Amino acid sequence: GPKVLQIPSHQIIDMGQMVTLNCDPVSNHLYFYWYKQILGQQMEFLVNFYNGKVMEKSKLFKDQFSVERPDGSYFTLKIQPTALEDSAVYFCASSLEGADSGNTLYFGEGSRLIVV
Amino acid sequence: GNSVTQMQGQVTLSEEEFLFINCTYSTTGYPTLFWYVQYPGEGPQLLLKVTTANNKGSSRGFEATYDKGTTSFHLQKASVQESDSAVYYCVLAPRNMGYKLTFGTGTSLLVDP
Repeated sequence: GPKVLQIPSHQIIDMGQMVTLNCDPVSNHLYFYWYKQILGQQMEFLVNFYNGKVMEKSKLFKDQFSVERPDGSYFTLKIQPTALEDSAVYFCASSLEGADSGNTLYFGEGSRLIVV
Repeated sequence: GNSVTQMQGQVTLSEEEFLFINCTYSTTGYPTLFWYVQYPGEGPQLLLKVTTANNKGSSRGFEATYDKGTTSFHLQKASVQESDSAVYYCVLAPRNMGYKLTFGTGTSLLVDP
């Protein structure tokens, strides 16, 4: 089936440093998402991105977070500066149409971020 | 607001036993409902989905029925296999109310051989 690729699969970073998580979505998809999952806990929505803009974001999407997809390349999540509570697995997802129309989201395998 | 409740945090079964995972939801209107499955070390993947157009979904031996009266979307399988061991998430996509999927807390299924 359709694949979403995430790079890196895991990263350890010092608190206060910047990190960029990269996502290569399914090729013809138009909507992109980031979800956060702390170990053993549920998936939590961070942000949705469409047509070069953030459409919706949650309270978890702090000011230190930003997303972009320059020139149709990777869809990225940048955290600057990182904090200890940012340690989690971050899942990228994409869909052909918006989730509000019942479209299926395809998830990557996640990027495990450890902030020390 | 929107919410999904999965009361069972963990279910342990033996192979060929019957599986039932409870899910109830709260929203306005008629959402699309999904079951996603997450295997260790992987991202969630779609197991099945049901819209208002069809009340029942099925895939790989799993079935779920969308009951608007009780606002439930329970997952069932007649005979589980060890390979079904995973975390199962009941997920809500509110109709025309934004782009956010709401995940339940997940039910971890362990099937003993």
